[in-house]
Order: sequence, then structure tokens, then C-alpha cells
Amino acid sequence: EADIYQTPRYLVIGTGKKITLECSQTMGHDKMYWYQQDPGMELHLIHYSYGVNSTEKGDLSSESTVSRIRTEHFPLTLESARPSHTSQYLCASSASGKQYFGPGTRLTVT
Amino acid sequence: GESVGLHLPTLSVQEGDNSIINCAYSNSASDYFIWYKQESGKGPQFIIDIRSNMDKRQGQRVTVLLNKTVKHLSLQIAATQPGDSAVYFCAESDGNTGKLIFGQGTTLQVKP
Repeated sequence: EADIYQTPRYLVIGTGKKITLECSQTMGHDKMYWYQQDPGMELHLIHYSYGVNSTEKGDLSSESTVSRIRTEHFPLTLESARPSHTSQYLCASSASGKQYFGPGTRLTVT
Repeated sequence: GESVGLHLPTLSVQEGDNSIINCAYSNSASDYFIWYKQESGKGPQFIIDIRSNMDKRQGQRVTVLLNKTVKHLSLQIAATQPGDSAVYFCAESDGNTGKLIFGQGTTLQVKP
């Protein structure tokens, strides 16, 4: 069982609000990832990090930003939430290619 | 471009039967493949992986087959159980970046 955590699990927020989705892992993995997933659909990579102070944009354009100040922590921030940001956000970390996923945050922007 | 796809969006099987979920990939440089299971409201859970120097790998009740000639990956589940009902995703990686490219999922429905 992977030790990767995401909070909150569910979030309903109004348009224009700033939000931060938290992701933490206790496995000491250098590589971490954020994916966006609509229900039943494939995962799209929006951000990744290869270690502290390293962040890269993923394959899917996103208005969110990330930071990696500590190995175990990889938060994702939306400065101004919009209804189009409604989705599930999944965090993962990896070692030797295998990625371990957190439970996800289901975000609804009204 | 790189893409990973599954042949069927939904697969319905009888409890106790074997299930086969298929996946086609297009990047011949991919050298690592993973199958994930995702239950409703949860994150993807690792099932089994295989590297490109292998054709077959077995786990507990699951087998992954890799055919590099036709760029095809399959997941076989023996004696399918109701708890196997979920969405299954295949993913590929080129091994250099560690990034995974996910295909569209196949929903496995197990009928009692």
C-alpha cells in the first residue's frame, strides 16, 4: 500500500476563489506528478517534479501552478477557480517507473 | 504522436470466467508498461507491470502479455470476481522521463 495522501478529498468552491490541493508522500520519492481526470476518462498529466525546486508543466495545459519545496510535499494551486476546473485531481509519486497514486481530490467549482 | 488506447470501453463477464482486457500503444520507444485498476472514487491502484525485454509476466490471478511486434498489451484476469469490477487503464513509459501516458480505460463489469 502506497503512503500518499491528498486533502481535501472533496471540495466545492465558488468561482474566483483561490484554492490549494495538498499532496504528501512518506516514501521519499523524488518524482511526483499531478493528473487531471474526468469521470471514467483517461488521466492527463498537468504537472510533474523530479525533486526539490524542480517543477515542469505536463502534457495537458493547466492554469494551475505547483511548488516543490520539500521532497514529501507537492501542492497544486489555482489562483482563481472557474467552472471549467471542475474535475478530479490525482497526485502520484514514483520510484523505478512505478507510480503510486493518492485517493484524489474531487473539485467542483460553482 | 504517442498514444495508448484500449480496444473496448466496456467488458462484461460472468463471475468465474476469465477476462481479457486489451490495449494498443503506438510509441515503439516505450520500454515499460503498467496496468492500473481504478475503483469508483479512488485513485488508480497498481496491478502489474512489464518491461519491454519480457513477453509475459504473471501475478496473482493476473497475467500481462506484451507483443512488441504489433504494439499490443493485454491483461488477463483469471476467475473474475465481483471485486474485480472497476475501470482498467494501461500506461506506457519511455523510461527516460518517468512520465506515463495513459490510455482510455476499459470498464469491467462482473455479472453474478
